[in-house]
Amino acid sequence: EPEVTQTPSHQVTQMGQEVILRCVPISNHLYFYWYRQILGQKVEFLVSFYNNEISEKSEIFDDQFSVERPDGSNFTLKIRSTKLEDSAMYFCASNGQGKGNEKLFFGSGTQLSVL
Amino acid sequence: GDSVTQMEGPVTLSEEAFLTINCTYTATGYPSLFWYVQYPGEGLQLLLKATKADDKGSNKGFEATYRKETTSFHLEKGSVQVSDSAVYFCALSDSDSGYSTLTFGKGTMLLVSP
Repeated sequence: EPEVTQTPSHQVTQMGQEVILRCVPISNHLYFYWYRQILGQKVEFLVSFYNNEISEKSEIFDDQFSVERPDGSNFTLKIRSTKLEDSAMYFCASNGQGKGNEKLFFGSGTQLSVL
Repeated sequence: GDSVTQMEGPVTLSEEAFLTINCTYTATGYPSLFWYVQYPGEGLQLLLKATKADDKGSNKGFEATYRKETTSFHLEKGSVQVSDSAVYFCALSDSDSGYSTLTFGKGTMLLVSP
């Protein structure tokens, strides 16, 4: 089965630094997502992206966050100035039609640790 | 807003035991319901889904029935294996939103011993 690929698997950064988390969605998918899971808490939706623009975002996704599809294959999440509370596992996901009853394909996640 | 509540883990079972992981939800519309599974070192994978009331999703011996009257989607398996050890996530998607924005529960870790 095709896979969503995320790099790096672990990222350690200092508070206030910028980080970029990278994802390669499945090649024929059109809808892309970022979710995160703070240790011990729920997996939370951050943002969805379609046709080179954000289609939906949660309250978590404030001005410190941005997403980009810089080329035909990568999908990135940037945190401009990291805070301690940004420490979490970040999951990228994609699917073909973006419908509410459609399966999401997830990557294995990037564990971000902000010190 | 929408929410999902699932039982706390870890759930520890012996091989061939019966498994139930409870999941209840609150939603304003008519959501689709999902169980995702995360094996160690891997991403979340769809295990099964149900898109309307009374639908039963099933896969790999796991089953869950969409119960609108009790707003539940409990996961069951008749005989678990060591290889079923993983974290299981119940989730819903409000189909009215038009997008696959999932609301997840906290996840339940299942540990199966030989």
